[in-house]
Amino acid sequence: EVNLVESGGDLVQPGGSLRLSCAVSGFPFSSYALNWVRQAPGKGLEWISYISSDSRTISYEDSVEGRFTISRDNAKNSLYLQMNSLRVVDTGVYYCARLSYYHMDIWGKGTTVTVS
Amino acid sequence: EIVLTQSPGTLSLSPGQRATLSCRASQTVDSSSLAWYQQTPGQAPRLLIHGTSTRATGIPVRFSGSGSGTDFTLTINRLEPEDFAVYYCQQFGRSTFTFTFGQGTKLEIK
Repeated sequence: EVNLVESGGDLVQPGGSLRLSCAVSGFPFSSYALNWVRQAPGKGLEWISYISSDSRTISYEDSVEGRFTISRDNAKNSLYLQMNSLRVVDTGVYYCARLSYYHMDIWGKGTTVTVS
Repeated sequence: EIVLTQSPGTLSLSPGQRATLSCRASQTVDSSSLAWYQQTPGQAPRLLIHGTSTRATGIPVRFSGSGSGTDFTLTINRLEPEDFAVYYCQQFGRSTFTFTFGQGTKLEIK
């Protein structure tokens, strides 16, 4: 069964740091690009970062560029998001999602980050 | 940066009716990179449609997508109770490896 499981969400003060993880199983991890998408409370979906299967191509949404770092460990079937200089507006549920061609076909259940 | 604008913001319909949701882009979008997602409260988004009109695995035939250029539509025929949710369109910028979501359309029971 294909599975993406996020972890690492917590309550953190403004200016603090967190590292999110996404553990993947059920498909060849190293063959797929991955994304982080977040959702503020009561708001819509916001894409925040992309990483290619080989980590050579990485992109960020403007508001997190320079503060967040996406990475992956293909040996551990894991995706990460290092979040520094956190702001109140970074509060929300963070999802990891598999990219298939140009769409996100598999999503995790999300992990909650609260900056307060 | 391409902006996706969804309309209406909220759509109130009854089970059995047809829903038509719009997604308009600020610039021409490659049809292969336009997708639709469904999200119910407390759940992760679920892929419905990709490449403008291809249903994802397991998605009922009452869901269909169409459009080109800057105007795209998600149609849901004969609404079932489980279809009342929030729907998002998304496009992928192949030259920048960035994604954009529309702000969502909430489909509610009338």
